[in-house]
Amino acid sequence: EPEVTQTPSHQVTQMGQEVILRCVPISNHLYFYWYRQILGQKVEFLVSFYNNEISEKSEIFDDQFSVERPDGSNFTLKIRSTKLEDSAMYFCASRGNSGNTIYFGEGSWLTVV
Amino acid sequence: DAKTTQPPSMDCAEGRAANLPCNHSTISGNEYVYWYRQIHSQGPQYIIHGLKNNETNEMASLIITEDRKSSTLILPHATLRDTAVYYCIVRVAYSGNTPLVFGKGTRLSVIA
Repeated sequence: EPEVTQTPSHQVTQMGQEVILRCVPISNHLYFYWYRQILGQKVEFLVSFYNNEISEKSEIFDDQFSVERPDGSNFTLKIRSTKLEDSAMYFCASRGNSGNTIYFGEGSWLTVV
Repeated sequence: DAKTTQPPSMDCAEGRAANLPCNHSTISGNEYVYWYRQIHSQGPQYIIHGLKNNETNEMASLIITEDRKSSTLILPHATLRDTAVYYCIVRVAYSGNTPLVFGKGTRLSVIA
């Protein structure tokens, strides 16, 4: 069964460092998303992306965050200068053009120290 | 904000049916009901969705009331591996890139 894959599964980074989280959406999917979940809290929407541009973003997705689809398969989330409060699980998700169901990856756990 | 109401937690005996309720009294005619679950901080897993008819797949059944203001997710024979947080989400059909909005869900504990 096709799946969304994310790397790394876990990353520890120093405060102020740049982090790039990578995602390979399901092949032929055209809609992409990033979500995050702080430990013990709800899954929160960050950003959606279609046709090489951001469709929608939440207030969490400030200037420290950016997304990119550098090639035909990868979708990345960059955090420019990490803060302690960026420590969370980050989930990538994708959706096909014909279906309406969004599928999630297993997540990348980011720890900022 | 999530437009659904779910009980915060439920218990179910292993092997019995788990019936998880969801209230979505403000649902619009073009909104589907989606169910996802999250097992111990793994990625949310799609279970099932429906518009107005009852639906069944290999994982679960979805019963939607005639007025569409509430629904029930049924896991027919719950196992310990079904212990998870279950999310009921309403979302406009074919809504472009509109994201899913997660609430707090129901924490289902399946007990041996």
